[in-house]
Amino acid sequence: DTEVTQTPKHLVMGMTNKKSLKCEQHMGHRAMYWYKQKAKKPPELMFVYSYEKLSINESVPSRFSPECPNSSLLNLHLHALQPEDSALYLCASSQEGTGARSYGYTFGSGTRLTVV
Amino acid sequence: GQNIDQPTEMTATEGAIVQINCTYQTSGFNGLFWYQQHAGEAPTFLSYNVLDGLEEKGRFSSFLSRSKGYSYLLLKELQMKDSASYLCAPAGGYQKVTFGTGTKLQVIP
Repeated sequence: DTEVTQTPKHLVMGMTNKKSLKCEQHMGHRAMYWYKQKAKKPPELMFVYSYEKLSINESVPSRFSPECPNSSLLNLHLHALQPEDSALYLCASSQEGTGARSYGYTFGSGTRLTVV
Repeated sequence: GQNIDQPTEMTATEGAIVQINCTYQTSGFNGLFWYQQHAGEAPTFLSYNVLDGLEEKGRFSSFLSRSKGYSYLLLKELQMKDSASYLCAPAGGYQKVTFGTGTKLQVIP
């Protein structure tokens, strides 16, 4: 299995809702990432997990809460989002260390989020 | 901080060669990636350079000059399916990969 699976593919939520985005990989990768991509913009790093521990938080607002329950799963919990948070949310995984550099990141196909 | 500069759009003919340039400034450097992204799809890994010089991988090659803060992606024998955005992505620190705005390549018959 060489894929990163993200669910749901599309999500519409109100500003008072609580929802979660899910990401799963079975490649044995120990680094997992959340990126946010607005239309016609490059992906922007949000969070990095390394060996199930949060290693990087790029000053993301607390209405986004990541969670890594085990080495295969990564969640992004959403609460009280704003319309400007509407974007494509991409999950990625990679090997740790030199593997990440040799083989790059494997991205999921993303969750297209619309906040109304 | 990071500053990445690459052309916004390029057009090339099927079967030709195209070179996509990228200049960057990063605080710290752990190599540079190139990714391909088709419209509406996730980015896919093309190449990684950490030492100066040219890395060749089939029809795609990537070059790096660390002293000049410069990289390019060379695509040979262009095919219609190569129409996509190409993202230059330097790693400014361990696990901190920043993507450039991308070069939208259109391959025409």
